[in-house]
Amino acid sequence: DAGVIQSPRHEVTEMGQEVTLRCKPISGHNSLFWYRQTMMRGLELLIYFNNNVPIDDSGMPEDRFSAKMPNASFSTLKIQPSEPRDSAVYFCASSLAFGESYEQYFGPGTRLTVT
Amino acid sequence: AQSVAQPEDQVNVAEGNPLTVKCTYSVSGNPYLFWYVQYPNRGLQFLLKYITGDNLVKGSYGFEAEFNKSQTSFHLKKPSALVSDSALYFCAVRVLPRDDKIIFGKGTRLHILP
Repeated sequence: DAGVIQSPRHEVTEMGQEVTLRCKPISGHNSLFWYRQTMMRGLELLIYFNNNVPIDDSGMPEDRFSAKMPNASFSTLKIQPSEPRDSAVYFCASSLAFGESYEQYFGPGTRLTVT
Repeated sequence: AQSVAQPEDQVNVAEGNPLTVKCTYSVSGNPYLFWYVQYPNRGLQFLLKYITGDNLVKGSYGFEAEFNKSQTSFHLKKPSALVSDSALYFCAVRVLPRDDKIIFGKGTRLHILP
């Protein structure tokens, strides 16, 4: 299995621009999570989906952030407009919520720099 | 409220010595507990988990963790540290039996000294 795939790996953009981060979860997993990691705030859960439905978006910082999961194999996290304080590493993770599983498998992350 | 605490920001251990990275938790009901490791410029990697059963759980790379219900702890251990074990370690707890969300601790940076 290829694991969780994220693209792009690095993104540099100017303030005010739209940014779209992409994630392909592990095939067969039914839950998908978006996290943000910074030195100051550590690892933060932004939103998670179960069976393509958003379950908890309480971690989404503000209306500039939105996430979608149109099907079981693809999700996007969009920031519009972007701001310098959005600079962070964004991780996608997936899990199979069944039986005694539940551990999450993380992608390599997207390092976002907003100038 | 559900929470997990890692009381040490950093742990230094000499290569070859045993290591322990501490974790305590607070949950309602039975906890599902996890350890993850993050190497530089990488995503988090699952190491091991406790769901039920034997209190001593064995995982990847020779790591193990001991679940202690009375002390609400789940410390990560390894008998003999390697320099390559140097990384950031996260303890995590599953929030509710029917909730897929897990809460991560703030992480402990482990330095193995040659």
